[in-house]
Order: sequence, then C-alpha cells, then structure tokens
Amino acid sequence: KNEVEQSPQNLTAQEGEFITINCSYSVGISALHWLQQHPGGGIVSLFMLSSGKKKHGRLIATINIQEKHSSLHITASHPRDSAVYICAVARNDMRFGAGTRLTVKP
Amino acid sequence: DTEVTQTPKHLVMGMTNKKSLKCEQHMGHRAMYWYKQKAKKPPELMFVYSYEKLSINESVPSRFSPECPNSSLLNLHLHALQPEDSALYLCASSQALALGGLNIQYFGAGTRLSVL
Repeated sequence: KNEVEQSPQNLTAQEGEFITINCSYSVGISALHWLQQHPGGGIVSLFMLSSGKKKHGRLIATINIQEKHSSLHITASHPRDSAVYICAVARNDMRFGAGTRLTVKP
Repeated sequence: DTEVTQTPKHLVMGMTNKKSLKCEQHMGHRAMYWYKQKAKKPPELMFVYSYEKLSINESVPSRFSPECPNSSLLNLHLHALQPEDSALYLCASSQALALGGLNIQYFGAGTRLSVL
C-alpha cells in the first residue's frame, strides 16, 4: 500500500462545477502539500498545511490530522484549472501521491 | 523572485554522450533537490543538497552525478545513460532542510531528457 493515496485518479468536470480531490496518508507527517503540475512539467506549490483549512482564491485545502486525510476543493472550476494535482506528505523529504488528472471542459 | 531556472528545457543524447543539466535559484535557499519523473507518475527523489553538501542519495546509479558548486547552482552530470533514463528531470529548492516538512519546495519547469 502506498503511503499516500489520492482519489480520484482522473476527473472530468464541466466549467463551473465544484471539484473535490482527496488524499489519505498512512505515516506521521509535519506538513502536507498540494501541488499543481501543468502539461509540460512545471510544478507549483498551492498549499502547505499542518492543520485546519487554507483558502487562496477559488482553491480551498483542508486537513484532518487525526483521520490522516486532506481534501483540495476548487470552486467555480475553469478550463485553465486543468492540470495534475499532487498531494505530498512531508517529513524531511516529500512522499508524493500518484496525482489526480483534472480536465475541466468549457 | 521565486523562480527556479532549469536548462536546457529539452535534451536528446546518445548512450555514449556526456551532458549536464543545470539548475539555478536566487532565493537564498540552502536546500536543493533533483527529482526524476516518468510519464504519468509522481516525481521520485534522486538527490538532496543541504548547504552545498550532499545529504540524501536515493540509491541513484553512478551514471548520474550531482554537483553543487555554490549555494545558487545545482548540476546533474549525465554519462552512459540508458534509454530507460528518459524522463522529466525536476530541480527544486527550499529554505533549509532542517525545517523538514515545513519547507515549501519551489520547482523548476524541468528538463525533458530523451536517451537514444
């Protein structure tokens, strides 16, 4: 079993839909990161969480430390949100989930 | 400036070639990382440098040789690679390794390497 499990693997949505991506982990962590990777490679850090909830624009990330679970929400999704979203748990190194490939159709 | 710059963007090399990948950051970060990413897979950690010293080597074959000449630069020297080494190579930097998981890593755009 992977230390970091993401679901779903692939997600297709219509523009404007509310999107949720889930991440479960099985190890003790000091923080959890949500990353975005667009086609072509570059990775952007969206959030770093050690507790509670963070919001940035249309993106919201939550974490429940007791349940070892985090969610990334996108409100009013847009085609430019199409990317791979990666959950990574961190101690001294980062352990990555397999990613969720999101496609938002106009 | 929150940019990590990687060059070249694309590289094609034969199995007998010697080439180098370069990574540069000017954020004053003291930890720098090399990752390898195969298609549709998450990044895999290869090396970590902390204060210009190699801290982590994830059992990477010796045909990959990292170098950190100063706190802003990280190189990955390639020699006698195999076709299965074709991948996206990502560089990242963070403030300090000692912060552990509280570090935010800033990633470069990657070098897409093809080994023929």
